[in-house]
Amino acid sequence: SQQGEEDPQALSIQEGENATMNCSYKTSINNLQWYRQNSGRGLVHLILIRSNEREKHSGRLRVTLDTSKKSSSLLITASRAADTASYFCATDAMEYGNKLVFGAGTILRVKS
Amino acid sequence: DVKVTQSSRYLVKRTGEKVFLECVQDMDHENMFWYRQDPGLGLRLIYFSYDVKMKEKGDIPEGYSVSREKKERFSLILESASTNQTSMYLCASSFYLRETQYFGPGTRLLVL
Repeated sequence: SQQGEEDPQALSIQEGENATMNCSYKTSINNLQWYRQNSGRGLVHLILIRSNEREKHSGRLRVTLDTSKKSSSLLITASRAADTASYFCATDAMEYGNKLVFGAGTILRVKS
Repeated sequence: DVKVTQSSRYLVKRTGEKVFLECVQDMDHENMFWYRQDPGLGLRLIYFSYDVKMKEKGDIPEGYSVSREKKERFSLILESASTNQTSMYLCASSFYLRETQYFGPGTRLLVL
C-alpha cells in the first residue's frame, strides 16, 4: 500500500534556490511527518504537522498541510549543498494500524 | 541527545546462514521498529515492538523474526538468509507509536 507518495521523484537545483517537494496521501490522518536521509545513512526527523495545523516552520523549512486535498508540501528556502539528500513523508492513519507509512521519497540534489 | 545504534554498518553473509541484527536505543522508548529499504520502494516495516516481549508483524514479516528481551534492545533475525534479503535495514524507536521516530545509521546486508 502506498499511503504517502512524494513528487517529484528527483529534483536538481542550484545553491540558493528554493526546493519544494510534495506528498499526497489517500486516507485521513492524525499527523504527517517529513524526514531527511543523507546517502547511506538513517533517517532524521524534520517536522511533524498535525491534521488541525495548516503550516509549520523550522528554520529554513516550511511545511504545509491541506487535508481537503490530502497533500502536504515541504519547502526548503535558500538551499545549500548540504541539503542534498532524500526526503520522505510519513503518514499515520487508523486503517493502517499502529504504524507510520513512508513514501518512496524525493531525491534532492543541490548544486554548488 | 537521542541515540539509536545498530550493531553493524555493513554485513556480508552466505545463503542459508542465520543472521542477527541488533539495535539499541538509549531514550527509554517503548516502541521499536525494523524496516528494510530498497531502491524505489521506500521503507517497509518488517516488525515492531511496543513493549518488552511484545511484537507485531509489519508489512513484510516473512523470513524474519524479532526478539525484545530488554526495553533498550530490539533484534532482527533472519532465520535462513536468502539473496532477496539483501537490503538496507533500518532500526528506529519512538516514544509514541505513530509519532516521531529516531533512526539508527542502518545496516547494509549483502547475502551471497
